[in-house]
Amino acid sequence: DVKVTQSSRYLVKRTGEKVFLECVQDMDHENMFWYRQDPGLGLRLIYFSYDVKMKEKGDIPEGYSVSREKKERFSLILESASTNQTSMYLCASSDYWTVAGSQETQYFGPGTRLLVL
Amino acid sequence: KNQVEQSPQSLIILEGKNCTLQCNYTVSPFSNLRWYKQDTGRGPVSLTIMTFSENTKSNGRYTATLDADTKQSSLHITASQLSDSASYICVVPGTYKYIFGTGTRLKVLA
Repeated sequence: DVKVTQSSRYLVKRTGEKVFLECVQDMDHENMFWYRQDPGLGLRLIYFSYDVKMKEKGDIPEGYSVSREKKERFSLILESASTNQTSMYLCASSDYWTVAGSQETQYFGPGTRLLVL
Repeated sequence: KNQVEQSPQSLIILEGKNCTLQCNYTVSPFSNLRWYKQDTGRGPVSLTIMTFSENTKSNGRYTATLDADTKQSSLHITASQLSDSASYICVVPGTYKYIFGTGTRLKVLA
């Protein structure tokens, strides 16, 4: 079974702190994604990566950065946490992508619920 | 604009009853559509994938349908159980990213 793990289930941080969220997948997947999920808004893509050291902005990258130094690990960084970044953060991975759209299932981690005070 | 819309936003049913969730999409080009189940506080888990040529697919008590002409999909849950209480999310791959619906929150009452 594919396993996607996230470093923390719950996290409480103060405004202005630097926050690291880590995600690890064990299926040698090419693609990794970071989403945030807020009530009524669904999942919104923050950043994704289709290869080591490659990253692409998603729909809401402002206030976030990412790092992918190894294929299995994708980190989300909040440089200076703000209260509007309180949310559920979900990491996902999937295998290769084709121009016509991926047939590959996206596998999600359990999520990190972040509270910024 | 590529969009995925789901209805209803929320639904409450009694245990043992059936229900149907709807998903309309405008994603082009279209290759497949997925339904995910997300339990409270957990990550989404894939229930089923419908490809362009498929009309109906079952996974236990879950049956998904796809009408590629009208760009609609439905997820039918038969003989609901308390464990079906969750959010159900419809997802369509776009060009190098997935397009998510906002989900239907289902509550099954004893």
